Amino acid sequence: DAMVIQNPRYQVTQFGKPVTLSCSQTLNHNVMYWYQQKSSQAPKLLFHYYDKDFNNEADTPDNFQSRRPNTSFCFLDIRSPGLGDAAMYLCATSTLPGRSYNEQFFGPGTRLTVL
Amino acid sequence: GEDVEQSLFLSVREGDSSVINCTYTDSSSTYLYWYKQEPGAGLQLLTYIFSNMDMKQDQRLTVLLNKKDKHLSLRIADTQTGDSAIYFCAESYGGSQGNLIFGKGTKLSVKP
Repeated sequence: DAMVIQNPRYQVTQFGKPVTLSCSQTLNHNVMYWYQQKSSQAPKLLFHYYDKDFNNEADTPDNFQSRRPNTSFCFLDIRSPGLGDAAMYLCATSTLPGRSYNEQFFGPGTRLTVL
Repeated sequence: GEDVEQSLFLSVREGDSSVINCTYTDSSSTYLYWYKQEPGAGLQLLTYIFSNMDMKQDQRLTVLLNKKDKHLSLRIADTQTGDSAIYFCAESYGGSQGNLIFGKGTKLSVKP
């Protein structure tokens, strides 16, 4: 089945220790998104790749970076995690332009704990 | 800025109808969406409505849109225990294929 896969599902890191979360997709979608979702909060878009073009949201901290080496993979790098970065990180994909509406396909998320 | 508001919890009995409400701020949103998140899974598009429509029905789901009041609702008829999940309202900004702004999600609990 075509899907969006996130690894690992659970990640524990230490305060200030760089961490990388990965996302892969078999949907061959050209757009990949990274969201941060804190407990009982709305998923918040950090950035997205439209093909190879990186689009950062204005309020995304510099501590968060992303790489997309190819269509299938996208990585979220947190350079110096703070306690406030503990959250669920969601990866999503879509194909644009495509249908008139934007359907995004989500992975199950990676829950990040910062000690 | 754009914002999407929805209540956090809803509890209903099996067989009853559930109504989940949402308000949004961006009057230029072309499409509005309902996503569903089951435990341990990612968000999944449940339904959507084009902004020039007042209502959309899809089997047990009815979406109502009041564009004047920027109010969106999702009605689930004959709610089942399998409908227990978190339901997210979302609006698009930057055009119909722009990015999505999500609400905090409404946790629907269905009691047998």
